[in-house]
Amino acid sequence: DAGVIQSPRHEVTEMGQEVTLRCKPISGHDYLFWYRQTMMRGLELLIYFNNNVPIDDSGMPEDRFSAKMPNASFSTLKIQPSEPRDSAVYFCASKRTGANYGYTFGSGTRLTVV
Amino acid sequence: GQNIDQPTEMTATEGAIVQINCTYQTSGFNGLFWYQQHAGEAPTFLSYNVLDGLEEKGRFSSFLSRSKGYSYLLLKELQMKDSASYLCAVMDNQGGKLIFGQGTELSVKP
Repeated sequence: DAGVIQSPRHEVTEMGQEVTLRCKPISGHDYLFWYRQTMMRGLELLIYFNNNVPIDDSGMPEDRFSAKMPNASFSTLKIQPSEPRDSAVYFCASKRTGANYGYTFGSGTRLTVV
Repeated sequence: GQNIDQPTEMTATEGAIVQINCTYQTSGFNGLFWYQQHAGEAPTFLSYNVLDGLEEKGRFSSFLSRSKGYSYLLLKELQMKDSASYLCAVMDNQGGKLIFGQGTELSVKP
């Protein structure tokens, strides 16, 4: 099992540019989560999907953020336009239905907006 | 609302025992998790408690009291490699959403 795969690992972009982060969950996992981690705020849940359907996007900070899951094996998180305060590590995680399964996290994307 | 509290940082000595506490107040509860995160890496699953009591897994144990909204992670025979951030997290009633505390940065010294 390759685990949760995220790309890119690092992204440096200029303010105002569009950024797209990608995630491939573990095969057979029906939940997918996007988190953002900063020193100040810790790990924050942005949005999560169940069977490709967005369930809770209350953590998405602004309309500049959008997420899609067109199929069970792929999801994107897009920021347009990006701002310096969006600089953070963005993690994707997936899990199988059942409360006793922990999440498996991807390696994360470290985003720097200059 | 959701509130999960844990100490910001702790220091312990190699070979010793350390207990990291976590208190929570959440609108729903479907289990409590502990994750370990080394600097620059992703969080990795350590333990899960849904019923009151102690769960033991090697050098690590986790305890839960639902009535008190309290959990702790116990690390025995500390090793230098245990230096990391330890994250307490609560799963909501829907069984999907995991809310994390800020994490406890543990430093293990020789």
